[in-house]
Amino acid sequence: GAVVSQHPSWVICKSGTSVKIECRSLDFQATTMFWYRQFPKQSLMLMATSNEGSKATYEQGVEKDKFLINHASLTLSTLTVTSAHPEDSSFYICSARDFVQGAPPQFFGPGTRLTVL
Amino acid sequence: GQQVMQIPQYQHVQEGEDFTTYCNSSTTLSNIQWYKQRPGGHPVFLIQLVKSGEVKKQKRLTFQFGEAKKNSSLHITATQTTDVGTYFCAGGDTGTASKLTFGTGTRLQVTL
Repeated sequence: GAVVSQHPSWVICKSGTSVKIECRSLDFQATTMFWYRQFPKQSLMLMATSNEGSKATYEQGVEKDKFLINHASLTLSTLTVTSAHPEDSSFYICSARDFVQGAPPQFFGPGTRLTVL
Repeated sequence: GQQVMQIPQYQHVQEGEDFTTYCNSSTTLSNIQWYKQRPGGHPVFLIQLVKSGEVKKQKRLTFQFGEAKKNSSLHITATQTTDVGTYFCAGGDTGTASKLTFGTGTRLQVTL
């Protein structure tokens, strides 16, 4: 089946620094990728929809200037958490769609655990 | 906005007992998907239901989509310790079918 990778798998940074997370579809092209955030013992919250070659669509309440999304190619989307603060510490998960008939609707990456000190 | 609730939040069963989680959406869905997330892991796709009243089975798992396409259930027969994890339903938006709203999740614990 299709594989989605994320890098890094975990990151620890100081408050005020920026962190970039990569999401790659390894064996299919993904015109649409999604970024979620999950706090401990909570559900996944959709942050934004990333569209190749165009601006991301952010969900209500998500600051687009803080969470910068770039989807420059059909296999790569990046999420940059700018000026990170401890409250940004969370599990960030991306997913991608493979439009092959019969494929699951979304393939999820393994996630990136961000800890901001 | 759309809300998707699941009950119960948590259930602890003994191996061999059955388990059911219920999913309710505040709005009509285009489809419902179910995912399993093991502790420390990422969601793994289980199934998608599209049609009103649809029932699908995967070995010991039975999935139902309500007639009004606003609720769904997942039933596990004779649970095993490998069933441990959190089960999420996720509703596909009628406007943008790709976009998912995840349910609140049900955490299942199975002991011998």
